[in-house]
Amino acid sequence: NAGVTQTPKFRVLKTGQSMTLLCAQDMNHEYMYWYRQDPGMGLRLIHYSVGEGTTAKGEVPDGYNVSRLKKQNFLLGLESAAPSQTSVYFCASSYVGGLQETQYFGPGTRLLVL
Amino acid sequence: AQSVTQLGSHVSVSEGALVLLRCNYSSSVPPYLFWYVQYPNQGLQLLLKYTTGATLVKGINGFEAEFKKSETSFHLTKPSAHMSDAAEYFCAVSDRGYQLIWGAGTKLIIKP
Repeated sequence: NAGVTQTPKFRVLKTGQSMTLLCAQDMNHEYMYWYRQDPGMGLRLIHYSVGEGTTAKGEVPDGYNVSRLKKQNFLLGLESAAPSQTSVYFCASSYVGGLQETQYFGPGTRLLVL
Repeated sequence: AQSVTQLGSHVSVSEGALVLLRCNYSSSVPPYLFWYVQYPNQGLQLLLKYTTGATLVKGINGFEAEFKKSETSFHLTKPSAHMSDAAEYFCAVSDRGYQLIWGAGTKLIIKP
């Protein structure tokens, strides 16, 4: 099993450009999450999904959109990138959501917006 | 709202010494608590978690943590540090929904 994979690993964008980050998991997990990690701030939840076809906003959703058309994939889109979106993005999944479930993380995508 | 505080953004210990990473949380309900580890240029992986039952939880790589309700703490310890323990450690507490509330992280530095 590959677990959780993310593409691309690294990307440089100019302000105003758009891009999509892809997350895929092969563990048949129902729940998937997108986080951003910034120095000294831990992880902040952007959006999450509790199942195929459903998405919900997290702590910092502005400037991002997501889609979960297939159970195994969770896409994060930036329609018009801004320098404030320079960050490391992590995708995670869990078998079910809920208070005690372990989340499994991908290796991350480093995004630099100039 | 729940919050998590990790004391010290960086902790430095000598190889073979005790590792103690501190985590305090605020919660009005019994929490579920987690420690995750992030090795350089990798994603996070679960180290250990407390849900119910025994308050002393053992995790991977010789780490353990004790849930102390009276102190609202979940400190992470390891008796003897190894060079391979150098990483960033994150404490997290469950929200009432499907979200984890994360601490800011503590980078553990191991001195030879």
